[in-house]
Amino acid sequence: TQLLEQSPQFLSIQEGENLTVYCNSSSVFSSLQWYRQEPGEGPVLLVTVVTGGEVKKLKRLTFQFGDARKDSSLHITAAQPGDTGLYLCAGAPNAGKSTFGDGTTLTVKP
Amino acid sequence: GAVVSQHPSRVICKSGTSVKIECRSLDFQATTMFWYRQFPKQSLMLMATSNEGSKATYEQGVEKDKFLINHASLTLSTLTVTSAHPEDSSFYICSARGSQGYTEAFFGQGTRLTVV
Repeated sequence: TQLLEQSPQFLSIQEGENLTVYCNSSSVFSSLQWYRQEPGEGPVLLVTVVTGGEVKKLKRLTFQFGDARKDSSLHITAAQPGDTGLYLCAGAPNAGKSTFGDGTTLTVKP
Repeated sequence: GAVVSQHPSRVICKSGTSVKIECRSLDFQATTMFWYRQFPKQSLMLMATSNEGSKATYEQGVEKDKFLINHASLTLSTLTVTSAHPEDSSFYICSARGSQGYTEAFFGQGTRLTVV
């Protein structure tokens, strides 16, 4: 059983469109991280959310942590081809080993 | 963010030989390092967790005698793929985490291993 369920798995959109990626769990996390990975590279940390209900913005990216700290979402406004990549959510229950969602492969077409 | 350097980025080896991959935390002390394997267009699969100075904890199904992990210092962990076979070809990624309870991990650039 996957601890973190990420959806959708694949997403292909046109430049300028908006999108949302979801990360859900039945477990409570002290924090969740979002990473972006380009082909042939390691994941790069985008943000960490810690407080239930927290919203963080990173330019056109908006991250939200659920009130119960069991889920998170990533919203991208006016997507650009440079946003293309694999988006991963990750968390470590009880500060143990990090577990990753299955990832969302985003393709933004010009 | 913190910097983790992984070396080499690409390696091609012959079947039956061993390959060592290094993972270094450049600007912080990594009490815990993780090794992952990733197949194309898939998420990361945790292979093992290592804490400095102690034996690595391997995930179920990962052969500890085949994937040797050493975490001898707070800035260096190594993964050695022993007697490599073509099915070991994959993208291997390390990550490092600092103090106990700090959940953010920083990743190396990854190593593309090809066994021929």
